[in-house]
Amino acid sequence: TQLLEQSPQFLSIQEGENLTVYCNSSSVFSSLQWYRQEPGEGPVLLVTVVTGGEVKKLKRLTFQFGDARKDSSLHITAAQPGDTGLYLCAGAGGRGGSNYKLTFGKGTLLTVNP
Amino acid sequence: SAVISQKPSRDICQRGTSLTIQCQVDSQVTMMFWYRQQPGQSLTLIATANQGSEATYESGFVIDKFPISRPNLTFSTLTVSNMSPEDSSIYLCSVPKTQTDYGYTFGSGTRLTVV
Repeated sequence: TQLLEQSPQFLSIQEGENLTVYCNSSSVFSSLQWYRQEPGEGPVLLVTVVTGGEVKKLKRLTFQFGDARKDSSLHITAAQPGDTGLYLCAGAGGRGGSNYKLTFGKGTLLTVNP
Repeated sequence: SAVISQKPSRDICQRGTSLTIQCQVDSQVTMMFWYRQQPGQSLTLIATANQGSEATYESGFVIDKFPISRPNLTFSTLTVSNMSPEDSSIYLCSVPKTQTDYGYTFGSGTRLTVV
């Protein structure tokens, strides 16, 4: 059973469009992290959200942690071709596990066409 | 944040053989983690490598198949033993960024193809 459901799995949009990626779970996490991975590279941390209801902004990217700390979203405004990549959400401490152990969603493969 | 050097970046191996993947970190870290990323799947934690003690394996992963070494606080290896095509995956190591930042730094990964 997938602990973190991430959607959509694939997304292809035109430059300038907005998009939202969702990460949902029935479990409570102590923190939720978003990563971006490019081909041939490891995931790179974008942001960590810790407090329920927290909103963080990173330039054109807005991250939100649900009030109950079970879900999160990533919103990209005016997407650019450089945003192309695999976006992964990862929860720490789910199902009472160690805060060091991450559970990853399957990822959203985003393609932004010029 | 720590910088990780992981090698090899890719390899094609014959079934039945073994491959050892190395991760070198530019600073001392207590915990290192090994993940597998299968095609179309999320990252799955294989084990936690602790210096001075045996690695802690997750459900579905065993030491005989994935022996891990952690000789010091900056280095670890993961061996994929007696490989089969089902072991074809990307293998990644990671370390925590800092105690105040809950994120992790990942190596660039090893793309393994077993033929």
